[in-house]
Amino acid sequence: EVQLVESGGGLIQPGGSLRLSCAASGFTVSSNCMSWVRQAPGKGLEWVSVIYIAGGTYSAGSVKGRFTISRDISKNTVYLQLNSLRAEDTAVYYCARTDKAYFGLDVWGQGTTVTVSS
Amino acid sequence: QLVLTQSPSASASLGASVKLTCTLSSGHSSYAIAWHQQQPEKGPRFLMKLNSDGSHNKGDGIPDRFSGSTSGAERYLTISNLQSEDEADYYCQTWGAGIGGVFGGGTKLTVL
Repeated sequence: EVQLVESGGGLIQPGGSLRLSCAASGFTVSSNCMSWVRQAPGKGLEWVSVIYIAGGTYSAGSVKGRFTISRDISKNTVYLQLNSLRAEDTAVYYCARTDKAYFGLDVWGQGTTVTVSS
Repeated sequence: QLVLTQSPSASASLGASVKLTCTLSSGHSSYAIAWHQQQPEKGPRFLMKLNSDGSHNKGDGIPDRFSGSTSGAERYLTISNLQSEDEADYYCQTWGAGIGGVFGGGTKLTVL
């Protein structure tokens, strides 16, 4: 069964750091592009970052320089390192498999919640 | 600028059909999109890929009641024989070079 399971969310103070994990099963992350998407409370979906098959990465302007996407092929897991967190980063974070041809998101995880508050 | 525009809300009666619209910004009418469903308090679920020629590829387990079509820059999601579980937010999504992922604002569908 194709599945994504996120973990690592929690309550963190402004300026703090957190690492989110996304464990994949039923397919290999090294053969797919993978994205992170977030959803602030009561808001729509916002794309955050992508890691391409070759390992290159790209992030939205709102997180560039603060968030870093990476992967561990041996663990079939994708990560999102969140640094210099702000209140506006409070959201549910989802990872998603990303089609390598047209970059549609075709498998979603259940999400992990990040709350940035003092 | 690559933008996807969706109406904020839609409603239809149980058993009826509804057609949701996602409009691509000028100059981007050839783009394929994906449609996603998000039921209350749940994560998103991929429904289908919709190409500019109207052909579409649905995700695993998506009922035949869900279909897609295209007209120019408009991408449609039609849901037939509406069920109570279809009450959800629906998002369209595409990708831009040098931009990354782009989502529409979402349409909240109410089943009456």
